[in-house]
Amino acid sequence: SYVLTGAPSVSVAPGQTARITCGGENIGSKSVHWYQQKSGQAPVLVVYDDSDRPSGIPERFSGSNSGNTATLTISRVEAGDEADYYCQVWDSSSGHLWLFGGGTKLTVL
Amino acid sequence: EVQLLESGGGLVQPGGSLRLSCAASGFTFSTYGMSWVRQAPGKGLEWVSGISAGGRKFYADSVKGHFTISRDNSKNTVDLQMLSLSADDTAIYFCAKHMTTVGSPSDNWGQGILVTVSS
Repeated sequence: SYVLTGAPSVSVAPGQTARITCGGENIGSKSVHWYQQKSGQAPVLVVYDDSDRPSGIPERFSGSNSGNTATLTISRVEAGDEADYYCQVWDSSSGHLWLFGGGTKLTVL
Repeated sequence: EVQLLESGGGLVQPGGSLRLSCAASGFTFSTYGMSWVRQAPGKGLEWVSGISAGGRKFYADSVKGHFTISRDNSKNTVDLQMLSLSADDTAIYFCAKHMTTVGSPSDNWGQGILVTVSS
């Protein structure tokens, strides 16, 4: 079955750039979506279809996807960006049609 | 404004059943796919089940055969009937609206409802 991998945590200072990766076999052939989940809150879609942003999401959030790695990039990181970030793909061959990565905790130092 | 409000959670004994409901408003409910996603305490997100606008149902292997999803487009609700519950089903359950079909990402989520399976 398809597996999504990533670092459990990423730390970055305010104003710097955070890069959160999501690995999977030939993930570049899939559409990847990214969700932000702050502590005690529901997830929020921040990037969809690899690199599109829903309305209301700051331009500081961007995404890319190629080969075996998809990346969520957060520029000019703010304290309010501290959250868990999950990648998601549709995989009809797995037991879960919608697969989530294990999540990456972004800590703003 | 899209609103999704889950109800029906609570404490249930192992082997018991529970029915979750999600009341939707602020959009044309009948034209969107809907899903349930859960999150066990301290763990990540797990997609559980989805239903298309036309009523086609999808399930994760982990719940197939003991969870049933349904929708009522006249009441703008989507339900999740859960049978034979075990401790592994303990989680916050989120109702989520898809951007279009069930195969599209979820652009709106409810606040979630806690289900605890314990004796």
